[in-house]
Amino acid sequence: SAVISQKPSRDICQRGTSLTIQCQVDSQVTMMFWYRQQPGQSLTLIATANQGSEATYESGFVIDKFPISRPNLTFSTLTVSNMSPEDSSIYLCSVLDRAGLPGELFFGEGSRLTVL
Amino acid sequence: GENVEQHPSTLSVQEGDSAVIKCTYSDSASNYFPWYKQELGKRPQLIIDIRSNVGEKKDQRIAVTLNKTAKHFSLHITETQPEDSAVYFCAAKTDSWGKLQFGAGTQVVVTP
Repeated sequence: SAVISQKPSRDICQRGTSLTIQCQVDSQVTMMFWYRQQPGQSLTLIATANQGSEATYESGFVIDKFPISRPNLTFSTLTVSNMSPEDSSIYLCSVLDRAGLPGELFFGEGSRLTVL
Repeated sequence: GENVEQHPSTLSVQEGDSAVIKCTYSDSASNYFPWYKQELGKRPQLIIDIRSNVGEKKDQRIAVTLNKTAKHFSLHITETQPEDSAVYFCAAKTDSWGKLQFGAGTQVVVTP
């Protein structure tokens, strides 16, 4: 199974600032995703990180607010821009580790952001 | 798009009893249904999954059933133990590369 490292694991941020979260996988993976989990809530997909091209965003999420990079098959970043307290959440990187049949989605440990 | 509903939102059971969590989905094209367990402060982890070509799958104390006609699937935990206490999420997706749509989650509390 893929080993996913995320950093920072947690941070406290000031309103109006931006923070970049890094996701490193120990093997090349086809699909990488970014999820948001607000306190006590379910997992909501922000976007699919596409290698070498623009990310595919879900409804309600835009590139200006959540720019994503994926320069290669093992690394991606998510930036949360111009943060407000409503952005306080856990942000999770996830990867699809098996091609062909629907595969298991693996998650990183998450990055817990608190915006003051 | 796919919509997954999950019930109940909380479930309290006595140790040794069974726990059942139910989910319904809206897209008849969905063919993959995983269940994730998330312990407090930890990442979600897959505990069992089922594909649309089977009706039931078991793994020790955990089983999942799927009713494609009714578009619902359920998680069954037998002989519950305190370490089963966690939030459980069901999910569904339509193809290998499709996104997973998660249910709202069920907080399971197993009391000794």
